[in-house]
Amino acid sequence: AQRVTQPEKLLSVFKGAPVELKCNYSYSGSPELFWYVQYSRQRLQLLLRHISRESIKGFTADLNKGETSFHLKKPFAQEEDSAMYYCALKRSSNTGKLIFGQGTTLQVKP
Amino acid sequence: DAMVIQNPRYQVTQFGKPVTLSCSQTLNHNVMYWYQQKSSQAPKLLFHYYDKDFNNEADTPDNFQSRRPNTSFCFLDIRSPGLGDAAMYLCATSRALVGVVEQYFGPGTRLTVT
Repeated sequence: AQRVTQPEKLLSVFKGAPVELKCNYSYSGSPELFWYVQYSRQRLQLLLRHISRESIKGFTADLNKGETSFHLKKPFAQEEDSAMYYCALKRSSNTGKLIFGQGTTLQVKP
Repeated sequence: DAMVIQNPRYQVTQFGKPVTLSCSQTLNHNVMYWYQQKSSQAPKLLFHYYDKDFNNEADTPDNFQSRRPNTSFCFLDIRSPGLGDAAMYLCATSRALVGVVEQYFGPGTRLTVT
């Protein structure tokens, strides 16, 4: 079965501290992994996707197939990074279905 | 701005009284999705349309139906809402199904069942 696990419901850090939001997945094929973010009172939106290997707002995420992980990292957290973060998996086939993790609330304290 | 719009943002219905949630998009995307998100849980896909082709998830209750009269609009019908159907309902769109395509989400409709 396909599953996405985000073990932390809440991650609280101080401004300037490094951040790592954990995401593990189970899928036997080649997955496509995404991070979506929801800021307070805003809609869910794409932050980054593994295939692009990009850095968005200072965040990066590397797909580790050996560990089946796709952790989201940022070296220096900012207060405006406070939000709910969802890791999501999509099968690389003709389906748009996203399987979401339960989300991690990131709280960056001043 | 091109976007995904959901109306209403908040909906209160009575137990067993049919309710319809609305989603529209100005992105001209081929695919429209409906997700259910209960409190403190992950969004869960109910079904999606690729153009006029309807695709139901295997575990979506029969109580949930959907209509897509044209490219821009998609409706979620709950025939007989139960207390367990209280949730945030998210509509999303994407250009296609295949490939690394981004899903664009609406703001959601929060459904309360009394």
